[in-house]
Amino acid sequence: QKEVEQNSGPLSVPEGAIASLNCTYSDRVSQSFFWYRQYSGKSPELIMSIYSNGDKEDGRFTAQLNKASQYVSLLIRDSQPSDSATYLCAVNQGYSTLTFGKGTMLLVSP
Amino acid sequence: DADVTQTPRNRITKTGKRIMLECSQTKGHDRMYWYRQDPGLGLRLIYYSFDVKDINKGEISDGYSVSRQAQAKFSLSLESAIPNQTALYFCATTPGTGNTGELFFGEGSRLTVL
Repeated sequence: QKEVEQNSGPLSVPEGAIASLNCTYSDRVSQSFFWYRQYSGKSPELIMSIYSNGDKEDGRFTAQLNKASQYVSLLIRDSQPSDSATYLCAVNQGYSTLTFGKGTMLLVSP
Repeated sequence: DADVTQTPRNRITKTGKRIMLECSQTKGHDRMYWYRQDPGLGLRLIYYSFDVKDINKGEISDGYSVSRQAQAKFSLSLESAIPNQTALYFCATTPGTGNTGELFFGEGSRLTVL
């Protein structure tokens, strides 16, 4: 069984701080990784994808990948209350069939 | 209007009843997926389809069946619903080319089986 592990949280950070969300995966041959954001009562939406080792930045978001350690992270700089949501880590098992982690709830307090 | 539409949005039914959840999309995508989401368990793949002649089982297909009636329509059926099928069900789509992993989700169908 291919697994994706995340700390369920909640992760609480004050407004303006950096939020760090972490994810590990079990399948060493996985090649592509994704972060989805899900607001309460809403459907997930893709916010970041990463395919190569290292960092990928998009605005306030940075995804980090370390394939040797089978580790993916998402950093959110200058966190805003509107970033409060559940963040889902996902690993592509091929043909866009994703295995999702259980998600980490992020709470950003004003 | 939503690009990926699920009906019904909410449904309460009784054990043993047959239930169909429908998904239609206007995105022109070939690949369609059904996931269920349970508190503490995350999203799990039930079935997926790459075209009308291609149906594949996901991680948790037991107790479910699907039908791909057209490129734009993908239905999920519970032949005899049971309480542990109470969950939030999501339909998702993605283009048929590439391997981007970007799924476009519908708004979800909340099913309660009593």
